[in-house]
Amino acid sequence: QKEVEQDPGPLSVPEGAIVSLNCTYSNSAFQYFMWYRQYSRKGPELLMYTYSSGNKEDGRFTAQVDKSSKYISLFIRDSQPSDSATYLCAMPRGSTLGRLYFGRGTQLTVWP
Amino acid sequence: KAGVTQTPRYLIKTRGQQVTLSCSPISGHRSVSWYQQTPGQGLQFLFEYFSETQRNKGNFPGRFSGRQFSNSRSEMNVSTLELGDSALYLCASSSPDRAEAFFGQGTRLTVV
Repeated sequence: QKEVEQDPGPLSVPEGAIVSLNCTYSNSAFQYFMWYRQYSRKGPELLMYTYSSGNKEDGRFTAQVDKSSKYISLFIRDSQPSDSATYLCAMPRGSTLGRLYFGRGTQLTVWP
Repeated sequence: KAGVTQTPRYLIKTRGQQVTLSCSPISGHRSVSWYQQTPGQGLQFLFEYFSETQRNKGNFPGRFSGRQFSNSRSEMNVSTLELGDSALYLCASSSPDRAEAFFGQGTRLTVV
């Protein structure tokens, strides 16, 4: 079993929709939870990170962590065509970010 | 503030050759990590260097090696290239002060 599981999609939604992206993980030692966005032929770009359980909001993006279920989510409100990308969840084990465990990434397309 | 810089952006090599990729981290970041990204396997951790020492290593054969210089710049080397080494190689840098790891744009290696 992989440490981090993520449905690769693809996910296709109309502009303005609410998007829900999810990951599950198996290692209860994970404390930080990160979301990256990767456009085609580009490197991953850090969107948000959260520590432990709870919600964190940044503009149209909300990250949610449920440590009891080992489940994290990223919600995108009022989705835009420019949000079309692959979204990756990532978690470091321990206190350093030198080794991140990634989900496979979910490919999202927002059509106008 | 300059981001993580990887060179070259694209590379085509022949089976059996060797290749060296370079990564310049964000100023002040002492941790540099390398990842291999392929459509089939997603992002896989290669190794991490911190203050010129390898701190973590993933499950890759010894053909994959790296080093870090005193200015934190890092190089990775792949010897005796195989077709399966074709991938996007990503470098990330992080600082212990903040829970953020930033990626470069990657080097796309094609082995023919």
